[in-house]
Amino acid sequence: EAGVAQSPRYKIIEKRQSVAFWCNPISGHATLYWYQQILGQGPKLLIQFQNNGVVDDSQLPKDRFSAERLKGVDSTLKIQPAKLEDSAVYLCASSSFSDTQYFGPGTRLTVL
Amino acid sequence: QKEVEQNSGPLSVPEGAIASLNCTYSDRGSQSFFWYRQYSGKSPELIMSIYSNGDKEDGRFTAQLNKASQYVSLLIRDSQPSDSATYLCAVNNYGGSQGNLIFGKGTKLSVKP
Repeated sequence: EAGVAQSPRYKIIEKRQSVAFWCNPISGHATLYWYQQILGQGPKLLIQFQNNGVVDDSQLPKDRFSAERLKGVDSTLKIQPAKLEDSAVYLCASSSFSDTQYFGPGTRLTVL
Repeated sequence: QKEVEQNSGPLSVPEGAIASLNCTYSDRGSQSFFWYRQYSGKSPELIMSIYSNGDKEDGRFTAQLNKASQYVSLLIRDSQPSDSATYLCAVNNYGGSQGNLIFGKGTKLSVKP
């Protein structure tokens, strides 16, 4: 069974630029999560999807971050414009009907 | 604000010893509890999940849960240098796929040969 796929693995941008990350969950997993992990911290949930719908986006900075999961499979997370404090690893995870979450390899973002 | 607290370490143990990692959580209604291992530069990997009070063993790993004390621990027996990593405690406050995980900051474990 293939795991959670993410791309790109690394991204370096200048502040005020925009960036997008892509995630493909494990096949058949209805729930998809985006987390932000700042160096030295645990992952923090940004947004949770159940199929196409948003379950929780209470910690998503909506003035600059957006996410979509149009067909209930792949998802894209966008930051526009980026700030220095957005430098972090962005992790995508998925789960089926249980609450066991499986993480992708992450995208390491550096904002200069 | 629901919180999960861990000692950030580093926790250093000699090879072959027992490593004990601890975690407390603030939401008394939390349903399920997880330990993830994260090697440097890698993503979190699930080690153990526990849902009921008591102990749960899987190989060299034992998770312990005490809901009355809002306390979760992970014991690693016969620690190996390959166990050196950051261990993240995570709590699901709703249970099932409706909930999401709240993570602690992680405890960095170093196993010395």
